[in-house]
Amino acid sequence: ETGVTQSPTHLIKTRGQQVTLRCSSQSGHNTVSWYQQALGQGPQFIFQYYREEENGRGNFPPRFSGLQFPNYSSELNVNALELDDSALYLCASSQGGGQITGELFFGEGSRLTVL
Amino acid sequence: QKEVEQNSGPLSVPEGAIASLNCTYSDRGSQSFFWYRQYSGKSPELIMSIYSNGDKEDGRFTAQLNKASQYVSLLIRDSQPSDSATYLCAVPDSNYQLIWGAGTKLIIKP
Repeated sequence: ETGVTQSPTHLIKTRGQQVTLRCSSQSGHNTVSWYQQALGQGPQFIFQYYREEENGRGNFPPRFSGLQFPNYSSELNVNALELDDSALYLCASSQGGGQITGELFFGEGSRLTVL
Repeated sequence: QKEVEQNSGPLSVPEGAIASLNCTYSDRGSQSFFWYRQYSGKSPELIMSIYSNGDKEDGRFTAQLNKASQYVSLLIRDSQPSDSATYLCAVPDSNYQLIWGAGTKLIIKP
């Protein structure tokens, strides 16, 4: 069974740039959600994808966008990067079928630093 | 805004003792509760879920839920240095997201 994989693991960008983070979900999981975790904080929900559509979104501006592909993998795109976007970005997959489940399987995360 | 509150710690516990971690939540309608463990520099890992009032045991871990008082606890018996981590409490909000506490940092002293 293949777990959740994310890439890249670390990256450094400058303010105003754009970034794309990638995630491959665990085998058999059809729902992908993305979280932002600042240092010393709990994860903050960005959005969730099911059947290639966004079906839930947290309090993040439109410059945070995403995609889900037919093989359930996903991308998170962030435009016009700001210093406060520096964080660990976590991808989680589940068998939730688009519904809430607390049983999430996380990838190792992508640590983004914005200078 | 629904909230989940945890004491940030650090909570220092001697090896072999019981570690007790607490979490309170604001939404009386919440039905399910989850504990995750996060080692430094790593991603969260689910260790316990609980849905009914009372206790749920899994090895050295026991989750306790009291819906009337709106708190959920995690007990770790016979604490080991490998239990040193941040423990996150998570509660579902709408159909699409979990609300997370900021986590309690646990340190097990040999």
